[in-house]
Amino acid sequence: QVQLQESGPGLVKPSGTLSLTCAVFGASISSGDWWTWVRQPPGKGLEWIGEIHHSGTAHYNASLKSRVTLSVDKSNNQFSLKLTSVTAADTAVYYCVRAYSSALFYWGQGTLVTVSS
Amino acid sequence: EIVLTQSPGTLSLSPGERATLSCRASQSVGSTYLAWYQQKPGQAPRLLIYATDSRATGIPGRFSGSGSGTDFTLTISGLESEDFAVYFCQHYESSPPRYTFGQGTKLEIK
Repeated sequence: QVQLQESGPGLVKPSGTLSLTCAVFGASISSGDWWTWVRQPPGKGLEWIGEIHHSGTAHYNASLKSRVTLSVDKSNNQFSLKLTSVTAADTAVYYCVRAYSSALFYWGQGTLVTVSS
Repeated sequence: EIVLTQSPGTLSLSPGERATLSCRASQSVGSTYLAWYQQKPGQAPRLLIYATDSRATGIPGRFSGSGSGTDFTLTISGLESEDFAVYFCQHYESSPPRYTFGQGTKLEIK
């Protein structure tokens, strides 16, 4: 059974860097799938952040591209998100997701990151 | 960029009734690239339907998807208490790669 688990600080200061890691269980990150981040501000809708393949190829949401970096750690079967220059608008629940067939199949439980001083 | 508009914003129905949720795209999209998710409070979204009409593993048969072009529908036949939640549609574009979501429809108990 595939499980994804997000981890990282729940509080980040404005102008700082948000860093999250997603550990993958029950599947190899070196499969042909895309490993994805989606966020959801409190009480609002879903926003795709980006996706990365085990080869290192990544695609980003154009609105976040200048601030986002995704990476893969095959030795630990995990992938990561870095978002720089954060503001209160980046406060959200961040989900890591396994994607294939143009859909988001397996979701982590999500982690709330609050941007505040 | 393709915009997805869901309607209605809120749908009030009783258990046992049939729910019809709409997702309209701002331009024609391929049926392979349209999916539906259910989200309950405090939980991650769960994939219900992908490629317009394919049920994900473990999804009950009362959930069905249909549509083509710009108009897509999620139908829940015979609502059960656990079906009351928020539903999102999603589209995938391959060039450049990106996912977009509708704003959601809240299905509430009448």
